[in-house]
Amino acid sequence: DAGVIQSPRHEVTEMGQEVTLRCKPISGHNSLFWYRQTMMRGLELLIYFNNNVPIDDSGMPEDRFSAKMPNASFSTLKIQPSEPRDSAVYFCASSLGTRGSYEQYFGPGTRLTVT
Amino acid sequence: KNQVEQSPQSLIILEGKNCTLQCNYTVSPFSNLRWYKQDTGRGPVSLTIMTFSENTKSNRRYTATLDADTKQSSLHITASQLSDSASYICVVTMSGNTPLVFGKGTRLSVIA
Repeated sequence: DAGVIQSPRHEVTEMGQEVTLRCKPISGHNSLFWYRQTMMRGLELLIYFNNNVPIDDSGMPEDRFSAKMPNASFSTLKIQPSEPRDSAVYFCASSLGTRGSYEQYFGPGTRLTVT
Repeated sequence: KNQVEQSPQSLIILEGKNCTLQCNYTVSPFSNLRWYKQDTGRGPVSLTIMTFSENTKSNRRYTATLDADTKQSSLHITASQLSDSASYICVVTMSGNTPLVFGKGTRLSVIA
């Protein structure tokens, strides 16, 4: 099994540019989670989907952030316009369900640097 | 407020030595607690999961304990190896379909 796939692995962009992060969950998993990790704040949940439907986006920091899941095998997280404070590692995770008893499997992350 | 506090923030030990990482939580209602290992440049990987009724669980050289009364958990690593160098994150789940509550992790460095 390939695991959760994220692309790109690294992204460097200038302030004001649009950034799109991509995620392919594990086949058969119906829940997908987007996280942001920084040294100061650790892992923070941004948004999660169940059966392609956004369930909770209260962690999305601002309107500049948006996420979509057009089908069961693909999701995007978009930042427009990007700012230096968005620099972080963004992780996508998938699981068999949204209940805490289901293990979440994390992708390798996308390291975003906004200059 | 639902919080997970981990200590120490960082730890350096010699190869072959044992160490214990701590996790205190105020999450309620409690469902389960996981310890994740995160290698540098990679996503977290689950080491163990503990439910309310479990006090101790072992996974090779890792032993996790849970005291649901005092809301404390620990992760003990025996005979540490260089490959144990990583961040260890304590994650607590509440009952129902609710998001996980993450600690900020303990950064462990095992040196030769």
